[in-house]
Parts: sequence; C-alpha cells; structure tokens
Amino acid sequence: GDSVTQMEGPVTLSEEAFLTINCTYTATGYPSLFWYVQYPGEGLQLLLKATKADDKGSNKGFEATYRKETTSFHLEKGSVQVSDSAVYFCARGDTGRRALTFGSGTRLQVQP
Amino acid sequence: DAGITQSPRYKITETGRQVTLMCHQTWSHSYMFWYRQDLGHGLRLIYYSAAADITDKGEVSDGYVVSRSKTENFPLTLESATRSQTSVYFCASSGQTSGANVLTFGAGSRLTVL
Repeated sequence: GDSVTQMEGPVTLSEEAFLTINCTYTATGYPSLFWYVQYPGEGLQLLLKATKADDKGSNKGFEATYRKETTSFHLEKGSVQVSDSAVYFCARGDTGRRALTFGSGTRLQVQP
Repeated sequence: DAGITQSPRYKITETGRQVTLMCHQTWSHSYMFWYRQDLGHGLRLIYYSAAADITDKGEVSDGYVVSRSKTENFPLTLESATRSQTSVYFCASSGQTSGANVLTFGAGSRLTVL
C-alpha cells in the first residue's frame, strides 16, 4: 500500500548546523505532503505543507519542496537551534478520507 | 477551553479490562481521528469519523471501538485491553476551513496495560 519513508534517527547536530531530513513517499496520484513536529510531551503540530508538485512549504526557517519526479519531500533548515530539538514526522494525505499516513519519525537533537 | 482535549492523559490498567479514552473538540470540526504512536511505527490510524454517526476503520482497528453521537466528542474504547495496546493515543480533528488533510492534534493519552 501507499507509504511514507523517512530517515532513521536520531540526528545529532551542533547549533547553527544545516539540517536535512529525507522523506520519500509512494502514492496513487499526487497527494498533499506535510511535515509535523512533536516536542517532548506534546501532540503533533503542523510545521509546513505542500499541496502540489513543485510547491515549497516553509515555516520558522524550515523548508520542503514537493518533488514529483523523485517522490520526495525533504525537510531542510539552514541553521538549527537547540529549540528545534524534537521529533519530525513526514506525512502524506490520504485521498478520499482526509486522514494522513505518517512516516516513522526522526528525532533531532541539537547541541549547544 | 478552546481546542482539542484528551482525557485521561495517563492511564494504567490490567489485561482484560475495558478502557475508554475521551476526545473533545470545540471547533465543530466534521472530521475526527484516533491514532496510536509506537516507537518505530510513527502514527498509525485506528479509526476516523467524517461526521456524527459516521465512522470507519483505519489500519489497526482490531480490539478498538468508537462512537460519535455528537460532533464534538469521539471516544475510543478498548473492550478488553491487551499488553500490545500499550501505547500513546492521539486524537485529531479537521474541518472545512483547515484545508484538506490538515489535522490538529490533542496532547495524547499514554496508556499502559499490565
């Protein structure tokens, strides 16, 4: 079935380093794509989204571009902060039922 | 309080007992969802609901029951809890103004089955 695959963590970076978290998907058609973030002890929060090919979602310095050719939606940030430490989930929209299918999550740890 | 609230936040129970996790949202969102979060699996869909009295199974619905008599409430019941149902459960909602597939999540309910 349709799925979302993202790189395993944890990813450990120093403050101000460049971040990339890879995400690829399989789907019939062209689903909407999302990145959600989960801070410790909290629920998931929408970070950014893209609804069609070549769209770039961005928020709080994070960016991701919907690449139809490579079925990818990699998350990037030019300079991470300690406060970015969290678990990041890539997700795609399910057609017909409005739900999301999630990847397994990638834990990011940013050290001062 | 406005938003989406889950209760209880933490629950410990024994194998075979019935447990109900509550979810309440104040936005009158049509769509509501239950997911479980387990290490290595991300979030997996248990049940979803498109409106009051309309529910459907997700990928991991065995052992769970839901109801939706009112738009704002979407309780999840484990009829006879098993150890494999130890997990963190998240409720979410989505409305017409949210945008397709944009879900807002509750803070989660951590369930331990002994």
